[in-house]
Amino acid sequence: DGGITQSPKYLFRKEGQNVTLSCEQNLNHDAMYWYRQDPGQGLRLIYYSQIVNDFQKGDIAEGYSVSREKKESFPLTVTSAQKNPTAFYLCASSIRRGTNYGYTFGSGTRLTVV
Amino acid sequence: DQQVKQNSPSLSVQEGRISILNCDYTNSMFDYFLWYKKYPAEGPTFLISISSIKDKNEDGRFTVFLNKSAKHLSLHIVPSQPGDSAVYFCAATFTQGGSEKLVFGKGTKLTVNP
Repeated sequence: DGGITQSPKYLFRKEGQNVTLSCEQNLNHDAMYWYRQDPGQGLRLIYYSQIVNDFQKGDIAEGYSVSREKKESFPLTVTSAQKNPTAFYLCASSIRRGTNYGYTFGSGTRLTVV
Repeated sequence: DQQVKQNSPSLSVQEGRISILNCDYTNSMFDYFLWYKKYPAEGPTFLISISSIKDKNEDGRFTVFLNKSAKHLSLHIVPSQPGDSAVYFCAATFTQGGSEKLVFGKGTKLTVNP
């Protein structure tokens, strides 16, 4: 079945380390997104990409980096510059054009700084 | 098993009238319900939320109603404006295994006609 796979589900990072969260989709969706979820808050957009080799900063891009070398993959790196990285991270994808707007989320990665 | 259901894939209303977007859920453990708005080729943006202990929350033109006995919530937009045309996602949060989970409906596409 088609969907989005995020890995790992749980990730622990020591302060000062960079970590990379994986997001893979087999839906043939053009657009992919990374969100951060904190308790009691709505989703906040970190980065998004509408096509391969192109990506845009979202609302809270500082301390994060992404790449989009393949249509199906959109990894997120949480760098040591991110001051408060402990959060729940969601990857999503959507069809960019046409009347079928299908928007699918992954199951998330819980990142904890120890 | 879809825990959050938006049974209407689309809704069309006239400018100035009320838009009512509906959402049904099955999990009694949800603690927050959220609505997101999404424009084409953009990530969703948080709109309004309601705690499971409340039955109404209002923010400007947007009001969310929660009926826990019916496991139903709705978003009212009054008056509707053409700029409100977007896809609206209902979402819910709950804690499982010490981690917060976020569950989304599939979305309802709202079109507000001038």
